[in-house]
Amino acid sequence: DAGVIQSPRHEVTEMGQEVTLRCKPISGHDYLFWYRQTMMRGLELLIYFNNNVPIDDSGMPEDRFSAKMPNASFSTLKIQPSEPRDSAVYFCASSADPEAFFGQGTRLTVV
Amino acid sequence: AQSVTQPDIHITVSEGASLELRCNYSYGATPYLFWYVQSPGQGLQLLLKYFSGDTLVQGIKGFEAEFKRSQSSFNLRKPSVHWSDAAEYFCVVLSGTYKYIFGTGTRLKVLA
Repeated sequence: DAGVIQSPRHEVTEMGQEVTLRCKPISGHDYLFWYRQTMMRGLELLIYFNNNVPIDDSGMPEDRFSAKMPNASFSTLKIQPSEPRDSAVYFCASSADPEAFFGQGTRLTVV
Repeated sequence: AQSVTQPDIHITVSEGASLELRCNYSYGATPYLFWYVQSPGQGLQLLLKYFSGDTLVQGIKGFEAEFKRSQSSFNLRKPSVHWSDAAEYFCVVLSGTYKYIFGTGTRLKVLA
């Protein structure tokens, strides 16, 4: 398996634009997580899914953020409108056992 | 609430020296514990895990960790550090609600 695949690896966008981050989990994994990493706050769990259903979205910072998992092999994290403070590295992870596997991340820069 | 504490933000060791990174957790039951490593600009890679059984677990790249219930600790060790080990290390506990709770990380610098 190729592991957890995230796209794009880097995204630069202007403030106010919509941004969509994508994630393909490892086949057979039934949990999917979205994390955000910044220098100031470290790794924060934004939302996680089990069997494509959102279980806990309490970490989503505000209504500008939304996440979907339309099927077992694809998830998106959308920010609309984006703001400079959203600049961070966003990680997707998937799990079937207690261990989670992380993607390489998407570095988002909002200017 | 479950939590993970990594008391050392930065550690510097010389190449070839031994290494111990500290981790303390707060969890009511027997935890699932992990150590992940993140190299600059990279994702997080699983080094090792503890679920039950032998309290000394071996991982990749020559790392090991020891679970000590009495001290609520899960310290990571390596007998001889290589320059390529320079990275950030995260101790993680899996909560009862299936959330991975990360420590704040320890950044390791290796001197040649």
